[in-house]
Amino acid sequence: GAVVSQHPSRVICKSGTSVKIECRSLDFQATTMFWYRQFPKKSLMLMATSNEGSKATYEQGVEKDKFLINHASLTLSTLTVTSAHPEDSSFYICSARGTSAAYEQYFGPGTRLTVT
Amino acid sequence: AQTVTQSQPEMSVQEAETVTLSCTYDTSESNYYLFWYKQPPSRQMILVIRQEAYKQQNATENRFSVNFQKAAKSFSLKISDSQLGDTAMYFCAFMKHTGTASKLTFGTGTRLQVTL
Repeated sequence: GAVVSQHPSRVICKSGTSVKIECRSLDFQATTMFWYRQFPKKSLMLMATSNEGSKATYEQGVEKDKFLINHASLTLSTLTVTSAHPEDSSFYICSARGTSAAYEQYFGPGTRLTVT
Repeated sequence: AQTVTQSQPEMSVQEAETVTLSCTYDTSESNYYLFWYKQPPSRQMILVIRQEAYKQQNATENRFSVNFQKAAKSFSLKISDSQLGDTAMYFCAFMKHTGTASKLTFGTGTRLQVTL
């Protein structure tokens, strides 16, 4: 099946700094990518949807200036957490959809962000 | 807006036994997909089973089957012959059938523990 990778798998950063998380589709072209946030023992919360070459569409309540999403190519999307604070500490998961059926969505392994 | 409800936060089942996880949803859409995803301790989201709303026949994947009751907006997952490797969080999810704009709405999850 299709593979989605995320890098890094874990990252620790200091409060006030920015951190970038990469999401790559390894063996297919991802026309749409999704970014989720998951708190401990909670469900996945969709943050934003990005289409290649377009601006991301953010869900209500998600600060677009804080969570910068770039989908510059058909295989790469990035999420940059700017001026990170401890409350941004979370598990971030991306998923990608190719050109096949809309229901075919493949998830990355996630990135654990800890802000100290 | 769609909502997905999983009323069982935690469940436990003995190895080789059968367990059923409940899920209800609310939507005004007539054409949609329903999913069960598994999230083991590794945090990697894994698709377990998918059901198209227009199909009356319940989906089956090996030991996993669903009971889809469209009128009741119910979508339960039955796991037969439970195995230790089935221990995970299970999320029920809904997606409208609207092409590339489709996004997943997740329930709150059920933590399943398979015991010896």
